[in-house]
Amino acid sequence: EVHLLESGGGLVQPGGSLRLSCAASGITFSSYGMSWVRQAPGKGLEWVSVISGSGGSTYNADSVKGRFTISRDNSKNTLYLQMNSLRAEDTAVYYCAKLDDSSGWGTADYWGQGTLVTVSS
Amino acid sequence: EVVLTQSPATLSLSPGERATLSCRASQSVSNYLAWYQQKPGQAPRLLIYDASNRATGIPARFSGSGSGTDFTLTISSLEPEDFAVYYCQQRSIWPETFGPGTKVDIK
Repeated sequence: EVHLLESGGGLVQPGGSLRLSCAASGITFSSYGMSWVRQAPGKGLEWVSVISGSGGSTYNADSVKGRFTISRDNSKNTLYLQMNSLRAEDTAVYYCAKLDDSSGWGTADYWGQGTLVTVSS
Repeated sequence: EVVLTQSPATLSLSPGERATLSCRASQSVSNYLAWYQQKPGQAPRLLIYDASNRATGIPARFSGSGSGTDFTLTISSLEPEDFAVYYCQQRSIWPETFGPGTKVDIK
C-alpha cells in the first residue's frame, strides 16, 4: 500500500524559511516523479513543484520560482520542499503527491494528508 | 498557462440522480486531463486519468469523456459519499493547472 507522510509545516514569519519533508513507503520511490501541490484556506488546488524520479528534472510554478526548491533523496525514500522568503500568500496546506511515471509529467495518483504552513507575524 | 473552467460552480442533486460536470480548457490539452474528488479535511483522490480511464478502486458509476478542450465527468447515480468538490487538472502544458472546482451538494 502506498503511503505518503508529510512533515515540517508550522508557523513562520514573513521572510522566513521552512523545509517540508514527505516520507514515502510502499513504492519503489526512485521510479516515480513526485510533486508538491498546495491549497490555501478555503481555496482551490495549485501545483507548486515537480521532480522526476531521478531528480534530474524539476519544474516550479512562477509563483514560487527562485524561492522554493524541490529535491529528493532516493536512498531515504523522501521528498523535500525548501521554502525561503516566505510570504503571507504562501499560507496553505501542502500536499505531496506521487506521479504515475518517472518523468515528472505523470498524473498524481496518490496523495499525502498534507501539512499546514502558516506565514504570519 | 492553460486556464481550466469548470461548470457549474455548484450542483445540487439528490442521491440516485445523475451528475454531469464540465471542464473546459483555454487551449487543447489532448487527453491529458484528470479528475479528482476532495472531501472536507481530506486530500484529493484521483478518479479519472487521461480523460476517460478510471483510477484503481474507483466505482464504475464514475466515468470521464472528452478530448481537446471539452471534458465531462459523469456520476451515473449519486451515492451519499459522492457529495464533495470535484477538480479537473491538465498535465499537457507546464504549469500544470487545476480548475476552480465544482461542488456537488445534497439538494
